[in-house]
Amino acid sequence: GAGVSQSPRYKVAKRGQDVALRCDPISGHVSLFWYQQALGQGPEFLTYFQNEAQLDKSGLPSDRFFAERPEGSVSTLKIQRTQQEDSAVYLCASSIAGTGGQPQHFGDGTRLSIL
Amino acid sequence: GDSVTQMEGPVTLSEEAFLTINCTYTATGYPSLFWYVQYPGEGLQLLLKATKADDKGSNKGFEATYRKETTSFHLEKGSVQVSDSAVYFCALSEASGTYKYIFGTGTRLKVLA
Repeated sequence: GAGVSQSPRYKVAKRGQDVALRCDPISGHVSLFWYQQALGQGPEFLTYFQNEAQLDKSGLPSDRFFAERPEGSVSTLKIQRTQQEDSAVYLCASSIAGTGGQPQHFGDGTRLSIL
Repeated sequence: GDSVTQMEGPVTLSEEAFLTINCTYTATGYPSLFWYVQYPGEGLQLLLKATKADDKGSNKGFEATYRKETTSFHLEKGSVQVSDSAVYFCALSEASGTYKYIFGTGTRLKVLA
């Protein structure tokens, strides 16, 4: 399809395991964002890429979180040594260019549960 | 820092009732403002947007006007349907920098037949 694609849709991991979440943005979209959405809350910003450059990672909650977008298209969010507080829905969004008026297009998210 | 405040839900209405969901913001500069809707089991979908003061965004019978003087972007619909039942998020996009979104906490709407 033409939308933002995220995989897996659901991920269950044991505390301490590493996980990797994938985002395939809309083709040609320069900007890519990751957000974390806790249950009953609005999404919160994690990190931002413009093409392959990670220009803002101020929202990453700890150094266990790492994101990359090596070829300026697909992005991966990795969480090392997962903790229970990492349980949330992780949303990826892309937009055509880095201007404020351009809307972001969201994927369906990956629901991460840490046991 | 920038922030968005939405009215708490849930909001329960009868079909054909008038809907208002309040949203106010604090921001540096002149952000763009958005409403997104999240239907059960689905991702966030753009409902409408406004990029400058006094702009009115509209879509599917929903409207919201960017009010700089009251720093508000309230969502309205004249006659809701059962199919409008969802969670609605107000968001602002920073006026500069990365243009990341700041979201409100969301308002759940339930429309009864």
